[in-house]
Amino acid sequence: GAVVSQHPSRVICKSGTSVKIECRSLDFQATTMFWYRQFPKQSLMLMATSNEGSKATYEQGVEKDKFLINHASLTLSTLTVTSAHPEDSSFYICSATPTGGYEKLFFGSGTQLSVL
Amino acid sequence: AQSVAQPEDQVNVAEGNPLTVKCTYSVSGNPYLFWYVQYPNRGLQFLLKYITGDNLVKGSYGFEAEFNKSQTSFHLKKPSALVSDSALYFCAVRALNAGNMLTFGGGTRLMVKP
Repeated sequence: GAVVSQHPSRVICKSGTSVKIECRSLDFQATTMFWYRQFPKQSLMLMATSNEGSKATYEQGVEKDKFLINHASLTLSTLTVTSAHPEDSSFYICSATPTGGYEKLFFGSGTQLSVL
Repeated sequence: AQSVAQPEDQVNVAEGNPLTVKCTYSVSGNPYLFWYVQYPNRGLQFLLKYITGDNLVKGSYGFEAEFNKSQTSFHLKKPSALVSDSALYFCAVRALNAGNMLTFGGGTRLMVKP
C-alpha cells in the first residue's frame, strides 16, 4: 500500500533554533499534503494544507511565519518550525492523498518535537 | 462547517467482550467517514472507511463500523476485544466538497483489560 515517510521521528532542540520536518510520499504523487499537530491527550488539529507549487493554506490561529511549509515537489512537503519555543513542543503528523484519489489519506508516523 | 464528536474520552472493556466506540458527525452533504487508530508514540493507522454502499463497513483487525445516516453516527465495533486493541481511536469526516481535508473527533482511549 501507499507509504508516507516522515522524518525525523523525534527531535530535541534548544529554544530559539529552527527544526525542519520532512514528509515524503514514497510510492505515489501527492498534490496536496496536510500538516497536523497533536497536543497530549488531545485530538489532531489541522495546521495547514500544503499544495505543490503554491503557497500553503493555513488554518486560523496558525502563524505562517513560525510554521513554514514548502511543497516543492509532488512527493515532498516540509514543515519548518522557526525560532522554536517550549510551547511548540508537540507531536506533528503529516498526511497525503494520491493525486486523483480521494478515498484515503495516508499518514506519516509523526514527529515528536521537544523544545528545551 | 463539518464536525465530529466522540462523546467518550475512554472506554473500558474486558478482553473477549464486544466493544463500541461512538462517533457522531455533522457535515453538509454526503460524508466520507473514517476510523483511525493511534498506538503510543506512533502515527495514525487507517482502520476503515465509509464512502458509499453498505452501511456496515468491515476494516482491519476485525473492526467494523455502521453508518447511520438518520442518526448521523458512525460507531466503531468489534465483537470480541483483545488486549492489543488498547489504543487511541479517532473518528474523522470529510465532506465531498472539502477536498481532502479531514476533521477529527477528539479521540477515545480504549482500554481492554485481561
